[in-house]
Amino acid sequence: AQKVTQAQTEISVVEKEDVTLDCVYETRDTTYYLFWYKQPPSGELVFLIRRNSFDEQNEISGRYSWNFQKSTSSFNFTITASQVVDSAVYFCALSLGGGNKLTFGTGTQLKVEL
Amino acid sequence: DAGVTQSPTHLIKTRGQQVTLRCSPKSGHDTVSWYQQALGQGPQFIFQYYEEEERQRGNFPDRFSGHQFPNYSSELNVNALLLGDSALYLCASSLVMGQGANEQFFGPGTRLTVL
Repeated sequence: AQKVTQAQTEISVVEKEDVTLDCVYETRDTTYYLFWYKQPPSGELVFLIRRNSFDEQNEISGRYSWNFQKSTSSFNFTITASQVVDSAVYFCALSLGGGNKLTFGTGTQLKVEL
Repeated sequence: DAGVTQSPTHLIKTRGQQVTLRCSPKSGHDTVSWYQQALGQGPQFIFQYYEEEERQRGNFPDRFSGHQFPNYSSELNVNALLLGDSALYLCASSLVMGQGANEQFFGPGTRLTVL
């Protein structure tokens, strides 16, 4: 069975600070896909990134970056120079493909204050 | 290009009643998945429909059923509602392409409250 753990329930930072959200996953499959979604107060999940298990290259997109390490089964997400608009719940998710069923973690509530 | 739409936005029901939630996928998508998100939790996979058939199912009782129509839209039905069914119900659409895992686009959800 698959499992995703987001140990950080809530993180509070001051604007312009860097913040890292942790994600640890469990699966016995060698082919899998990892995702990050953002859920603002409106409730709609917004896709941020998808990574497959064969691609361990880190990725940067503007202020966002992701560090994928198979050795520690982690897929961490860093926001550089955080902004108030980054305040949301962030979910890490795992899929084995072949149907796209997503297994989500419990989410991390990020609060960015002025 | 319209994204995923869901109706209604909010719904209040009493225990024992039945409810139907609706979802229209993003234009061009052929697969619809439903998730239940309890307060403070991550979304839990209910089931997925492709070509008008249920293809995958999560750990939910038979009270939860669904349907997909020829235009790819979908309904989620829940019978004999329990207090514990109160949650945000999210619909996601995607394309089924080979064995990969494609990006799923989520709708705004339907907030169901069972009294």
